[in-house]
Amino acid sequence: EIVMTQSPDSLAVSLGERATINCKSSQSVLYSSNNKNFLAWYQQKPGQPPKLLIYWASTRESGVPDRFSGSGSGTDFTLTISSLQAEDVAVYFCQQYYHTPLTFGGGTRVEI
Amino acid sequence: EVQLVQSGGGLVQPGGSLRLSCAASGFTFSSFWMSWVRQAPGKGLEWVANIKQDGSEKYYVDSVKGRFTVSRDNVKNSLYLQMNSLRAEDTAVYYCARDSIASAFWSGYSNWGQGTLVTVSS
Repeated sequence: EIVMTQSPDSLAVSLGERATINCKSSQSVLYSSNNKNFLAWYQQKPGQPPKLLIYWASTRESGVPDRFSGSGSGTDFTLTISSLQAEDVAVYFCQQYYHTPLTFGGGTRVEI
Repeated sequence: EVQLVQSGGGLVQPGGSLRLSCAASGFTFSSFWMSWVRQAPGKGLEWVANIKQDGSEKYYVDSVKGRFTVSRDNVKNSLYLQMNSLRAEDTAVYYCARDSIASAFWSGYSNWGQGTLVTVSS
């Protein structure tokens, strides 16, 4: 099983400041045949299902603001919110979809 | 508009059974991998199972193997999760989810159902 470890567990960021969330996988999720990282990022607000932000580690889902960006390759990944807005308060999860069981990180709570 | 509307769920005694359904609309259901993901109260996300476009491949997390069965009906545009021998630790909100890309490869989940609470308790 690929273990996904997120850090930090929570962080407080001022409005307009940068938020950085890290995700580390216990083995590489880079698929050599297409050179894609099988890694996604989600945002979840209370009482709502998760919302896809990023897939293939760095491809922004349609409609997601460009202040959200994903980077990294292999085993180390980062989600960056370049200028935090009030509506970005949520829990963020990474997920690997490289190999079953498909696994999620433990989540990072972002607060103002 | 893509919609995933879930039904089923509720309170069940340990050892009991329950069937969850997920009705899809707004897209070509038969073109996408579909999954079930759960979230225990106050906890993180746990992938439960997924099923290939034609139903020929199914995968499960170890903790539900032999107890849960994922299936789909591409005529009715519906996804199902049959849950047997339920345990207290299966208590969670269950979500159905659609892959973001119609592909042989898995991808992130771009669309989610509203979630349905399953409570296993005597």
